Amino acid sequence: RKEVEQDPGPFNVPEGATVAFNCTYSNSASQSFFWYRQDCRKEPKLLMSVYSSGNEDGRFTAQLNRASQYISLLIRDSKLSDSATYLCVVRMGWGKLQFGAGTQVVVTP
Amino acid sequence: DADVTQTPRNRITKTGKRIMLECSQTKGHDRMYWYRQDPGLGLRLIYYSFDVKDINKGEISDGYSVSRQAQAKFSLSLESAIPNQTALYFCATSGGLEDGYTFGSGTRLTVV
Repeated sequence: RKEVEQDPGPFNVPEGATVAFNCTYSNSASQSFFWYRQDCRKEPKLLMSVYSSGNEDGRFTAQLNRASQYISLLIRDSKLSDSATYLCVVRMGWGKLQFGAGTQVVVTP
Repeated sequence: DADVTQTPRNRITKTGKRIMLECSQTKGHDRMYWYRQDPGLGLRLIYYSFDVKDINKGEISDGYSVSRQAQAKFSLSLESAIPNQTALYFCATSGGLEDGYTFGSGTRLTVV
């Protein structure tokens, strides 16, 4: 079983709609959680950290459910520029980050 | 200039050749990492270094070696390249335990 699992998608989303997707992690001792965004053939870039109480950054909302071991990302009012692959990232302990394979989001006009 | 610079950006090499990928960073971070990315597999850690005298194997270190020449420089070598090392390689750096990573723009390596 992979340590971090994501639905690969693609999630096809009309412009202006809301899309949400989850990521599950297997290690209950995981300490920190992040969402990264990766555009095609480019480097991953930090989108947001995920805090226990949930957090928002503009149109993006991240939630953490430790009991069920998943994190989620919700994108409101989707823009064409939101089309990308979203990587779920979990910190295991000493600093090592474990990356999911990514969820592809395609926002259509 | 980019915070993390990787060279070359693209490389095609033949099976059995030795190749070095270079990474330098201007963020002043001690921690540096090498990852490879393959379709459907996500990023996998090859090697990491927490300072100049500290080198550690990641989950897929076989066939690779690294050198931390200075705080700012961390190079990855393939001693004898093979086709299944064809991948997108990323160098990354972080400042501490709670920091995210800053990635270089990647090296696309093809072994023929």
